[in-house]
Amino acid sequence: GEDVEQSLFLSVREGDSSVINCTYTDSSSTYLYWYKQEPGAGLQLLTYIFSNMDMKQDQRLTVLLNKKDKHLSLRIADTQTGDSAIYFCAESIIPTASKLTFGTGTRLQVTL
Amino acid sequence: DAMVIQNPRYQVTQFGKPVTLSCSQTLNHNVMYWYQQKSSQAPKLLFHYYDKDFNNEADTPDNFQSRRPNTSFCFLDIRSPGLGDAAMYLCATSSGQGEQYFGPGTRLTVT
Repeated sequence: GEDVEQSLFLSVREGDSSVINCTYTDSSSTYLYWYKQEPGAGLQLLTYIFSNMDMKQDQRLTVLLNKKDKHLSLRIADTQTGDSAIYFCAESIIPTASKLTFGTGTRLQVTL
Repeated sequence: DAMVIQNPRYQVTQFGKPVTLSCSQTLNHNVMYWYQQKSSQAPKLLFHYYDKDFNNEADTPDNFQSRRPNTSFCFLDIRSPGLGDAAMYLCATSSGQGEQYFGPGTRLTVT
């Protein structure tokens, strides 16, 4: 079965880079996603990567995928206080009518 | 412009009193999902529609039902809410290509 794990908490100083890590177990994953959830809000899709890619960059966000180790990371450059939120990684195995398996979520705290 | 809209944002209901949460979308997506999210946990999929085809998760309680009268709207009915059903309920849509787009959620309180 699928299992997606993340560390629970990360604290960084404003201006530093944040790296949020995720491990998954299903090697047939085809899409991997990063979502951001602010308090009391829904999930915002930040970025996603196909499983045949190693890296994807989108402005301050860099996603790295190590398929051999089933490890996904999200790097946020120049972290701002507005980046404070819970970050969920998610995997999708069946693209059509896809169901997402979410990680446990990482709470990012940005300090001044 | 809001693409996935949920109403109401906050709902209070009494123990055992039926409640309906609504979701609408302007994306014309085929797939609509309902998730339950409890505090400090990941969202848990309750069911999803691919067009009119309803797909229930095996562990979704019978107390939870859903209706999708057309492409744009989907409803979550909780027939007899218990205290354990207090949670954030999230609606999401997808074109079926993978990524899902979430609404802002409805926070349900059961008194």
